[in-house]
Amino acid sequence: DAEITQSPRHKITETGRQVTLACHQTWNHNNMFWYRQDLGHGLRLIHYSYGVQDTNKGEVSDGYSVSRSNTEDLPLTLESAASSQTSVYFCASSESNEGGRTFFGPGTRLTVL
Amino acid sequence: GQNIDQPTEMTATEGAIVQINCTYQTSGFNGLFWYQQHAGEAPTFLSYNVLDGLEEKGRFSSFLSRSKGYSYLLLKELQMKDSASYLCAVRDSNYQLIWGAGTKLIIKP
Repeated sequence: DAEITQSPRHKITETGRQVTLACHQTWNHNNMFWYRQDLGHGLRLIHYSYGVQDTNKGEVSDGYSVSRSNTEDLPLTLESAASSQTSVYFCASSESNEGGRTFFGPGTRLTVL
Repeated sequence: GQNIDQPTEMTATEGAIVQINCTYQTSGFNGLFWYQQHAGEAPTFLSYNVLDGLEEKGRFSSFLSRSKGYSYLLLKELQMKDSASYLCAVRDSNYQLIWGAGTKLIIKP
């Protein structure tokens, strides 16, 4: 079965460190997304990609970067982790057709101390 | 700005019916989605509406009125496993999904 995997599932890091969260999907979707989810907020879009070598900033992109070198992977990098980036991070991919559903990975819980 | 409003929390009784409302103001409209999210898990797709009216899928139904910027998710014959958060999302004119903060549904026996 097709799926999206994320690693690590849990991460504790220190302020100022660089952190990379991995995302791998086997749906063969062109569209991939990174969201963060915090209490009291909806899912907030960090970065997204519509295909290989394509990346775009979302509403909360400051301090984050992504790269898309193949269809399956969209790693998210926190350049210099800050306590405000403590959150649950979801990677997702979606079908490109109208009404296309979005499928989510299991999430990564990141704590920045 | 773009905005999606849902009640923060609702409580219902096992076996009953509950309606979760969602109102939206977005830059354009290209469909509305409902997702279910159990605590500590990822959201999973429930329904999609792009035309006005009711879409029924088993115990779950979703309604859309584009002129009113309004949708609801109707859950019938509630079961304890329906305890979860329900997320409303609208796809805007740029085909970006705008998410509501979610409604936490508590089911009591």
